[in-house]
Amino acid sequence: GAVVSQHPSWVICKSGTSVKIECRSLDFQATTMFWYRQFPKQSLMLMATSNEGSKATYEQGVEKDKFLINHASLTLSTLTVTSAHPEDSSFYICSARDIDRAGGTDTQYFGPGTRLTVL
Amino acid sequence: GQNIDQPTEMTATEGAIVQINCTYQTSGFNGLFWYQQHAGEAPTFLSYNVLDGLEEKGRFSSFLSRSKGYSYLLLKELQMKDSASYLCAVRARESNYQLIWGAGTKLIIKP
Repeated sequence: GAVVSQHPSWVICKSGTSVKIECRSLDFQATTMFWYRQFPKQSLMLMATSNEGSKATYEQGVEKDKFLINHASLTLSTLTVTSAHPEDSSFYICSARDIDRAGGTDTQYFGPGTRLTVL
Repeated sequence: GQNIDQPTEMTATEGAIVQINCTYQTSGFNGLFWYQQHAGEAPTFLSYNVLDGLEEKGRFSSFLSRSKGYSYLLLKELQMKDSASYLCAVRARESNYQLIWGAGTKLIIKP
């Protein structure tokens, strides 16, 4: 099956610093990747859609200048949380869209997530 | 608008069978997905239905009826490790082909 990796798996940082999270599709090319955030015992919340070679599309209420997304290749998207604050502490999860035209499937596979704690 | 409904919580016994239902209302349906999410972990893909009928994959099966806006996930021979949240998600033209997520069904397996 399709594999998506995320790095780091967890990070602790001081308030005001920036944190970069990488999302890689390991065995397929993904023109589209998605970034989600999930607080404890709450549903997944889509933050933005990342498209290779173009600007990301952000969901309403998500600050694009705070959450910088770069999708520079067909296998890598990065999310940078700039000037992180304690309220940004959350579980950040990426997913990658795997389109198999021959097989007629179009599926999202998730990375393992990154747990961010801002002190 | 889009609406996805699934039960909040279900309880079942180890070794038994459980069916988790999902109903949806959307325009331009383009596929229904089931994911499993253990506490503190990211979701993992279980199944994808775009045509009516039953898709079987080992102990898990997923059914879709597009005319009824209805799907279910069937889990057989339940194991304790199946205790998790099960997320139903729909992709549709009206959501620009992004996945719209149900709130998830927390499944509790008892010995």
